[in-house]
Amino acid sequence: GESVGLHLPTLSVQEGDNSIINCAYSNSASDYFIWYKQESGKGPQFIIDIRSNMDKRQGQRVTVLLNKTVKHLSLQIAATQPGDSAVYFCAEHNFNKFYFGSGTKLNVKP
Amino acid sequence: KAGVTQTPRYLIKTRGQQVTLSCSPISGHRSVSWYQQTPGQGLQFLFEYFSETQRNKGNFPGRFSGRQFSNSRSEMNVSTLELGDSALYLCASSRTGLDEQFFGPGTRLTVL
Repeated sequence: GESVGLHLPTLSVQEGDNSIINCAYSNSASDYFIWYKQESGKGPQFIIDIRSNMDKRQGQRVTVLLNKTVKHLSLQIAATQPGDSAVYFCAEHNFNKFYFGSGTKLNVKP
Repeated sequence: KAGVTQTPRYLIKTRGQQVTLSCSPISGHRSVSWYQQTPGQGLQFLFEYFSETQRNKGNFPGRFSGRQFSNSRSEMNVSTLELGDSALYLCASSRTGLDEQFFGPGTRLTVL
């Protein structure tokens, strides 16, 4: 299930630090957004979602922020752990379809 | 509860052949979407089925088709395989198609 593109951006963080992964989405009509995590050899795994009528949503160790003005989505992971190492995708939903970003590879250094 | 399952997990075919992939959604989920994932293009939407009807379609040629059965299980077929069809094919299920999608592990298709 590798999803590494030719030029997949990589974020390297130290274990225990906070991580921020960013995503620019394309359609101002998008009404629903999801962050996924994909580990090698596996399908994408749902992390957290947010609807367009919200600015912020918190989960366990994760927070998603939505800025509709600049069409920007971010995923914050608190106290990053080695098990968080994976590729992270954002997905936007509009006109009954989901569109996925190319992903960011998170590398957690012990 | 059981997650989304896909069979087979790996498949090797030659150009010109056809292939059928299967997806069993989470119990109670009526929407099944199919995606193609490649290193160069990332995740691309193929189509979505809801209650046995194709509700949405991506920009793929007619060689890619699918169907959904009354138990929400779905199959995807690719005819006249080309080398460029080599990819990881993922299916995702959700209750309505407008809520969170759960992905299966994918079928890795290699076309020689």
